[in-house]
Amino acid sequence: QKEVEQNSGPLSVPEGAIASLNCTYSDRGSQSFFWYRQYSGKSPELIMFIYSNGDKEDGRFTAQLNKASQYVSLLIRDSQPSDSATYLCARTPWAGANNLFFGTGTRLTVIP
Amino acid sequence: EPEVTQTPSHQVTQMGQEVILRCVPISNHLYFYWYRQILGQKVEFLVSFYNNEISEKSEIFDDQFSVERPDGSNFTLKIRSTKLEDSAMYFCASSDQGALYEQYFGPGTRLTVT
Repeated sequence: QKEVEQNSGPLSVPEGAIASLNCTYSDRGSQSFFWYRQYSGKSPELIMFIYSNGDKEDGRFTAQLNKASQYVSLLIRDSQPSDSATYLCARTPWAGANNLFFGTGTRLTVIP
Repeated sequence: EPEVTQTPSHQVTQMGQEVILRCVPISNHLYFYWYRQILGQKVEFLVSFYNNEISEKSEIFDDQFSVERPDGSNFTLKIRSTKLEDSAMYFCASSDQGALYEQYFGPGTRLTVT
């Protein structure tokens, strides 16, 4: 039940395209979901988090949460070569929890 | 912009030695975390700390590990007797509202046990 499943990729998109990253989970008690970006050899960098069903937009990024289907996704519009990184999905397992469970990440390559 | 800092950036130690990894969380944050990432693997939760005590710990965080907030700014992770399998990146993170909200990660300490 700790698992957060992500396609490891690599996912390749051309510059300017929309990149779509997906994450599924099995624990229906999961509360908040997070997307982090991690460049090789660096620490995770928070992109955004979502806890309500629906869409949440921040600049070129949109997170989508569907608790009934138990998936969360991240759309990156107008992808740039600098977006090339590993994208980590994480979840808070229950309302009072004070930890995060991470997926293995999806490697994204944006081709100039 | 406030950020989490960690020292040292790289620590090399011999098996069986004690190491202390140091973190300075963002100043107004109240929740502190340690995670580790073995090379090529996923980020794994170790321990969370709030109100001067451990709030949660994973099965990885056994008796060889301890955490401390020795003063108003530092947060440390001690590994009492390092093993080869402790070699990993160790990340400190902090949050102002807990794990339901944003956690910000420090740059990490690469621990190499020889």
